[in-house]
Amino acid sequence: AQSVTQLGSHVSVSEGALVLLRCNYSSSVPPYLFWYVQYPNQGLQLLLKYTTGATLVKGINGFEAEFKKSETSFHLTKPSAHMSDAAEYFCAVSDNTDDYKLSFGAGTTVTVRA
Amino acid sequence: DARVTQTPRHKVTEMGQEVTMRCQPILGHNTVFWYRQTMMQGLELLAYFRNRAPLDDSGMPKDRFSAEMPDATLATLKIQPSEPRDSAVYFCASGEGLAQYFGPGTRLTVL
Repeated sequence: AQSVTQLGSHVSVSEGALVLLRCNYSSSVPPYLFWYVQYPNQGLQLLLKYTTGATLVKGINGFEAEFKKSETSFHLTKPSAHMSDAAEYFCAVSDNTDDYKLSFGAGTTVTVRA
Repeated sequence: DARVTQTPRHKVTEMGQEVTMRCQPILGHNTVFWYRQTMMQGLELLAYFRNRAPLDDSGMPKDRFSAEMPDATLATLKIQPSEPRDSAVYFCASGEGLAQYFGPGTRLTVL
């Protein structure tokens, strides 16, 4: 069974500063990893995903994440925060089977200070 | 721009009433998922379907919840009877392969 731990339920950054959201996973098989973003009163939107191949994955809105197998991590970063990045972010993992079920982390709320 | 749609967006009901939530998946997607989101429990998978067949509904309280896909364009989640603890946002997601695409959710309040 797979699981995800997101370190920090709340992150506050200044506009223009680096955004770093931490995600560690556990999986008995090579995982598929995802980051989703949820804006207030909306559904989750896929930011990026890692399946195989290049370990640095680029997503929408300037976000990227790096898969580090040795650290069982998939941290999300953005070099320069924008006010519109204020949202809740979820890391998710799916094991390497064909049922595509996702296990979500508890989420990290990002606030951006002007 | 294809999207998952859900109706109603908001529902307020009294304890004991039946609630039906509907989802229209993205055309061509063969998997449909139902999730519940609460502050306390976060996102929980309730049930999911592939090619309209239920594959796993172990996350649902069986005595009061039921999920169906009458056809490829409609998925339903019913609660009967509803209880205050069912108050949450219910999301439908559809996918073909790895990525899941979420609808806007139904915010359910049971008084």
